Amino acid sequence: QVQLVQSGAEVKKPGASVKVSCKASGYTFTKYGISWVRQAPGQGLEWMGWTNSYGNTDYAQKFQGRVTMTTDASTSTAYMELRSLRSDDTAVFYCTTDFDSAVWGQGTLVTVSS
Amino acid sequence: DIQMTQFPSSLSASVGDRVTITCQASQDISTDLSWYQQKPGKAPKLLIYDASNLEIGVPSRFSGSGSGTDFSLTISSLQPEDVATYYCQQYYNLPAVSFGGGSRVEIK
Repeated sequence: QVQLVQSGAEVKKPGASVKVSCKASGYTFTKYGISWVRQAPGQGLEWMGWTNSYGNTDYAQKFQGRVTMTTDASTSTAYMELRSLRSDDTAVFYCTTDFDSAVWGQGTLVTVSS
Repeated sequence: DIQMTQFPSSLSASVGDRVTITCQASQDISTDLSWYQQKPGKAPKLLIYDASNLEIGVPSRFSGSGSGTDFSLTISSLQPEDVATYYCQQYYNLPAVSFGGGSRVEIK
């Protein structure tokens, strides 16, 4: 079945970077894009951006210059790197696939704390 | 950017009540709207797509309606397992999407 499996929780210090992975299975990865969604504690869902296997990207204005989304077709894995982390970046990050909007990764908690 | 305004932000209703959540888009989005249910610690679950189409496996007490700028999600008979936060999502300008602020549903 279609599945997205994300990397594990991370703890980072302010100013550091984090790279979250999202491994896809059950469909042809190279044919569909991947989006990333952030959810801060007790807050709503926030779209961060999108990428595909051709290297195309579309980032939300809020994250422009601080986020990079990439894919590795050889492993059917998407990556989201967020730089210059602040305490208010503490959140759960989800990946979703254009193949099926019902399919989400399990989420990755990133905690930013000194 | 398309802004999505969702209300109420929270509500409390009795088991068996009819519950309606509304979502308003800042511009015409046709029927490019989904509804998601999220329970604590879990990823969002798709309930409705294209404004009114029920996702496979979702109970028929859930329904969606609307087009253009005004949309609604209705639970015809609230059940204890429906306690969750509900989000609308527009996808009119893919790949960019945006979400409403969420509506928390509780049992009275």
